[in-house]
Amino acid sequence: DIQMTQSPSTLSASVGDRVIITCRASQSIRIWMAWYQQKPGKAPKLLIYKASTLETGVPSRFSGSGSGTEFTLTISSLQPDDFATYYCQQYQLYPWTFGQGTEVEIK
Amino acid sequence: QVQLVESGGGVVQPGRSLRLSCAASGFTVSNYAVHWVRQAPGKGLEWVAVVRYDGSDKYYADSVKGRFTISRDNSNNTLDLQMDSLRAEDTAIYYCARIKAANSAGDAFDIWGQGTMVTVSS
Repeated sequence: DIQMTQSPSTLSASVGDRVIITCRASQSIRIWMAWYQQKPGKAPKLLIYKASTLETGVPSRFSGSGSGTEFTLTISSLQPDDFATYYCQQYQLYPWTFGQGTEVEIK
Repeated sequence: QVQLVESGGGVVQPGRSLRLSCAASGFTVSNYAVHWVRQAPGKGLEWVAVVRYDGSDKYYADSVKGRFTISRDNSNNTLDLQMDSLRAEDTAIYYCARIKAANSAGDAFDIWGQGTMVTVSS
């Protein structure tokens, strides 16, 4: 199985900060990477797919980059609505796997 | 409106069975791969199972293989998850989720249901 390792597990930040979350795959997944945002009691929401493509309706302060085994999700200027948990996910090979999540909390 | 709605969750004893259903609207399940993903209380997301858009193959997580069965009813536009021999570690919110691209084997999940809670406890 492909292991997805996200870091950090928790991130404390302030409104306006630039935030970077990384995800490492245990083997190459080319560009088959997605990022999701989840708020308490809600289903996950797709932010980025194919490593760097912004989902329709998602603010442009979110961006994704990387290929192969190293990926990043960047929030250019953190907004109050962005405090949530973020997950990476590979869809290169079954079983599809998620990172363990990064909780972005208010500093 | 494109939507997924899960049902069938509840409290069940270990070793018993439960059947979840996912009703799709606004699109046809025979054109899209719809997956099951679960989340144990306070934990992360775990992919569970999928039936390909063309019904040709089914894939399962190792943790549920041999106990869970995914199926699709094209006439009712629904997806089911039959869960047998349930264990305490199967306790989770179960989401059905659709991938973005029609007639594709792999893509990100763009549509999620609201989830249905399954609790396995004596």
